[in-house]
Amino acid sequence: AQKVTQAQTEISVVEKEDVTLDCVYETRDTTYYLFWYKQPPSGELVFLIRRNSFDEQNEISGRYSWNFQKSTSSFNFTITASQVVDSAVYFCAALNYGQNFVFGPGTRLSVLP
Amino acid sequence: GAVVSQHPSWVICKSGTSVKIECRSLDFQATTMFWYRQFPKQSLMLMATSNEGSKATYEQGVEKDKFLINHASLTLSTLTVTSAHPEDSSFYICSASPRGTSGIPRVSFGPGTRLTVT
Repeated sequence: AQKVTQAQTEISVVEKEDVTLDCVYETRDTTYYLFWYKQPPSGELVFLIRRNSFDEQNEISGRYSWNFQKSTSSFNFTITASQVVDSAVYFCAALNYGQNFVFGPGTRLSVLP
Repeated sequence: GAVVSQHPSWVICKSGTSVKIECRSLDFQATTMFWYRQFPKQSLMLMATSNEGSKATYEQGVEKDKFLINHASLTLSTLTVTSAHPEDSSFYICSASPRGTSGIPRVSFGPGTRLTVT
């Protein structure tokens, strides 16, 4: 069974600071997919990124970047120059073969003006 | 593409009544849909797997007689919370993938339904 851990329950930063959200996963599968989702107060999940187990390339999208390291089973997410609109709960998740997700406990990010 | 809708987006019901939540795949067919539950300030937990034309599969600890799931067509799954109690108040989210999906998974989530039982 897969397991996803997000050690940071809550993080507060001041606007324009960089912040990294940690994610550690456990799986016995050789092929797997990892995701990050943002959940604003409305509750709707916003897809941020998907990574498969064969692609360890780091990715940057605007102010967002992801560091995937199989050696440490980590898939960390960094927001550069954070903004108030980044305030939300962020979930790291793994996708099972059955197409259902295993979510981490989430990290609540508060960006203060 | 791959849009999933849910209805209603929020509902308030009295304790002891039943409430039905719909999950629809708008532009694709899905043989399997998933129902998740999220209590306040907690993560999403898989409740059940809804299979078109067959019985749903429930996760451990989820009462199948209380959470009735019907997946009568390839675009609609319904979750009925029977005899709802305040502890059933939660955010319910469904997800689905296009039928025959292979290779890179394309999973879409619905916007969620917030249930409050008074």
